[in-house]
Amino acid sequence: AQKITQTQPGMFVQEKEAVTLDCTYDTSDPSYGLFWYKQPSSGEMIFLIYQGSYDQQNATEGRYSLNFQKARKSANLVISASQLGDSAMYFCAMSSGNNRKLIWGLGTSLAVNP
Amino acid sequence: SAVISQKPSRDICQRGTSLTIQCQVDSQVTMMFWYRQQPGQSLTLIATANQGSEATYESGFVIDKFPISRPNLTFSTLTVSNMSPEDSSIYLCSVGLAGGRDTQYFGPGTRLTVL
Repeated sequence: AQKITQTQPGMFVQEKEAVTLDCTYDTSDPSYGLFWYKQPSSGEMIFLIYQGSYDQQNATEGRYSLNFQKARKSANLVISASQLGDSAMYFCAMSSGNNRKLIWGLGTSLAVNP
Repeated sequence: SAVISQKPSRDICQRGTSLTIQCQVDSQVTMMFWYRQQPGQSLTLIATANQGSEATYESGFVIDKFPISRPNLTFSTLTVSNMSPEDSSIYLCSVGLAGGRDTQYFGPGTRLTVL
């Protein structure tokens, strides 16, 4: 069965430090995509970063990088130099198969302390 | 990416009434989706909105409760019918772009409270 697991309900980080948010996935499909989204308290869902299962290098987007370990089936999000505006819910998601639907984790609440 | 707008942004409704949520995209898109996010929960897919045909509903969601229209490639509506307090949620529409690696881009959401 396809599944996304986020084991950290809440995380704290000091401003300007780096933080890693964990995500593990399960799928038998050799072709899949992994996504991270940010949801501030306003409720909008903001796309952050994407990693394809065949990508050779870890994805990076500005201060966001995805630590993709295929053998371990993990796709952890690393946020460098945390800012107060990074305080939000973070969701990991996966697509596989042909229907383009996303499977979602339960999310991690990140609080950045000044 | 795409610019997606939703109306209304929030509403407070009485039980037994219905609310229609609009989703407008600034470009033609193939895939449009509707999600529900109950308080403190993750996203749950309600249905895929298909242009020119009936929406494809996920298990647990039915057309009578959540009728969806998609008259063209830039617009869709979701109606929450005969509402109860359990329908209080954030409703989000999203779009998938052609060649977009399955990435979905979301509208700002509609925060619904049912009294």
